[in-house]
Amino acid sequence: EAGVAQSPRYKIIEKRQSVAFWCNPISGHATLYWYQQILGQGPKLLIQFQNNGVVDDSQLPKDRFSAERLKGVDSTLKIQPAKLEDSAVYLCASSPPPTTSGRWYEQYFGPGTRLTVT
Amino acid sequence: RKEVEQDPGPFNVPEGATVAFNCTYSNSASQSFFWYRQDCRKEPKLLMSVYSSGNEDGRFTAQLNRASQYISLLIRDSKLSDSATYLCVVKRNTGNQFYFGTGTSLTVIP
Repeated sequence: EAGVAQSPRYKIIEKRQSVAFWCNPISGHATLYWYQQILGQGPKLLIQFQNNGVVDDSQLPKDRFSAERLKGVDSTLKIQPAKLEDSAVYLCASSPPPTTSGRWYEQYFGPGTRLTVT
Repeated sequence: RKEVEQDPGPFNVPEGATVAFNCTYSNSASQSFFWYRQDCRKEPKLLMSVYSSGNEDGRFTAQLNRASQYISLLIRDSKLSDSATYLCVVKRNTGNQFYFGTGTSLTVIP
């Protein structure tokens, strides 16, 4: 079974530039997550999609970050304009939807995009 | 208070040792619990889910104590390949977020 695909793997940009990341989840996984992981910290959720709808974007800095999942499959995350503190690994993850009893499945992560803002 | 707290370590143990990590969570309504492993410069990968009755997978044992709101991971007979960061993950029964701890770093020494 193919895993979660992400591109690019690495990106270096200058502050105030724009950048976009792409994610293709595991086939059939309705739930897609974008996380930001700063060095030495655990992943922090930026946005969660269920199919093509946003379920949670409470921690997304909406003044500069945006994300979409138009057809309920792959997704893009954009930063415009980037700041130095955006340097991090951006992880995409997917999971099947929760069961009718409310049990959540584990998430499967892609390899991440390592962003360096100079 | 953080949703999930872990001792960041580092834990440096000799091969063959037994090591235990604890993780505490702040919200008693938490429902699902997981341990993930993250190798250096790699993505997190599921190590095991944690069930109420506790569960074991080979050398790994996970326990859940709902009364005290903590989760533990025990690794027996440590191998060099166990060196990694171990992330505790908690999901509430309301809302949608999975909450990650900062991770506990383990190095197994020959």
